[in-house]
Amino acid sequence: AQSVSQHNHHVILSEAASLELGCNYSYGGTVNLFWYVQYPGQHLQLLLKYFSGDPLVKGIKGFEAEFIKSKFSFNLRKPSVQWSDTAEYFCAVTSNTGNQFYFGTGTSLTVIP
Amino acid sequence: DVKVTQSSRYLVKRTGEKVFLECVQDMDHENMFWYRQDPGLGLRLIYFSYDVKMKEKGDIPEGYSVSREKKERFSLILESASTNQTSMYLCASDRGNSYEQYFGPGTRLTVT
Repeated sequence: AQSVSQHNHHVILSEAASLELGCNYSYGGTVNLFWYVQYPGQHLQLLLKYFSGDPLVKGIKGFEAEFIKSKFSFNLRKPSVQWSDTAEYFCAVTSNTGNQFYFGTGTSLTVIP
Repeated sequence: DVKVTQSSRYLVKRTGEKVFLECVQDMDHENMFWYRQDPGLGLRLIYFSYDVKMKEKGDIPEGYSVSREKKERFSLILESASTNQTSMYLCASDRGNSYEQYFGPGTRLTVT
């Protein structure tokens, strides 16, 4: 079975700091990769996704992620965080032939004004 | 916009009760999913369905069952609720082939 690891459980940053959240997966085949975000009191929504092509993917609100196949990683980055980025972030992976998504345990980000 | 709705945002039930959680999507998606979300454990898949009347067990199906009689509706049933089923329950749908999932707002279930 596939698995997804998010090593940062809780991250606290000041506004304007740079962000990088780690995501590693275990699956040897072709994968589709996702980052979801859950703002306080809101439902999970898609931040960005990678299916194929350019391994540097840009998403909403200035977020980006880089797929490094050799490292089985899909880290999320943002050069300058804002207070409104306070949320929980989930990495997810699925094989391109499967139906099941595998989610990481999530990273809680708190941005201090 | 895809909409996934869940019947209740908050629910309080007693131990031993039978509990029904309903989920409806309006985009004709093939696949529907039920997850539970717990702090530090992320999202864990309970069951999913890739077609009407079809279902597959996820990672934690024990104590749960599901029903999909119509394409747009996917129900999660707790046959006899227990306190360890207190959790946030999320429904999701997608159109298959590993495209993105769309989530409902969640139902926070408390079993006392």
